[in-house]
Amino acid sequence: AQSVTQLDSQVPVFEEAPVELRCNYSSSVSVYLFWYVQYPNQGLQLLLKYLSGSTLVKGINGFEAEFNKSQTSFHLRKPSVHISDTAEYFCAVNSPRRYSTLTFGKGTMLLVSP
Amino acid sequence: EPEVTQTPSHQVTQMGQEVILRCVPISNHLYFYWYRQILGQKVEFLVSFYNNEISEKSEIFDDQFSVERPDGSNFTLKIRSTKLEDSAMYFCASSEPGANTEAFFGQGTRLTVV
Repeated sequence: AQSVTQLDSQVPVFEEAPVELRCNYSSSVSVYLFWYVQYPNQGLQLLLKYLSGSTLVKGINGFEAEFNKSQTSFHLRKPSVHISDTAEYFCAVNSPRRYSTLTFGKGTMLLVSP
Repeated sequence: EPEVTQTPSHQVTQMGQEVILRCVPISNHLYFYWYRQILGQKVEFLVSFYNNEISEKSEIFDDQFSVERPDGSNFTLKIRSTKLEDSAMYFCASSEPGANTEAFFGQGTRLTVV
């Protein structure tokens, strides 16, 4: 079985500050890792994904994430946030054997203020 | 840009009534999914569908749920006799085959059972 833990339900931050959204997972098999973003009244949009290779993954809108196998983490980072980054962020995993059947975390609400 | 569309965006129904949630996946995708998110909880996998049959379903997807692809474009989720606890945001998604492919999500249908 797989599970995803997002340690922070809400992260408030000021505009232009750096941010890190934490994600830890557990799985008995190798996994693929994803970060999705949900803007208000919209669907889930893929930010980035880790499949294999380089552990540092760059995504859209200036976000990046680093896969750490020993710590079973996949934290999302951005060096300087904008007001428009205010949204809910979801970490998710799936097994290579289960195509896109994703297991999600509870989500972290990123609140960017001026 | 191709997108997954869901209708309606919000549905209110009385307990015990049947409800059908509709989705139009991206046209060249072959895998289709339903997920749900109860307010304040995780996004949870319900069911995946491929080649006109269910590929995988979670324990949430009991006999009161069914899915169908009635024509070449629509993908529906039916809840036969709604309960209060079925109130949630329901997301449809579609993808090309393979675990490393991106699942594209719709905007969701908020189902409220009263």
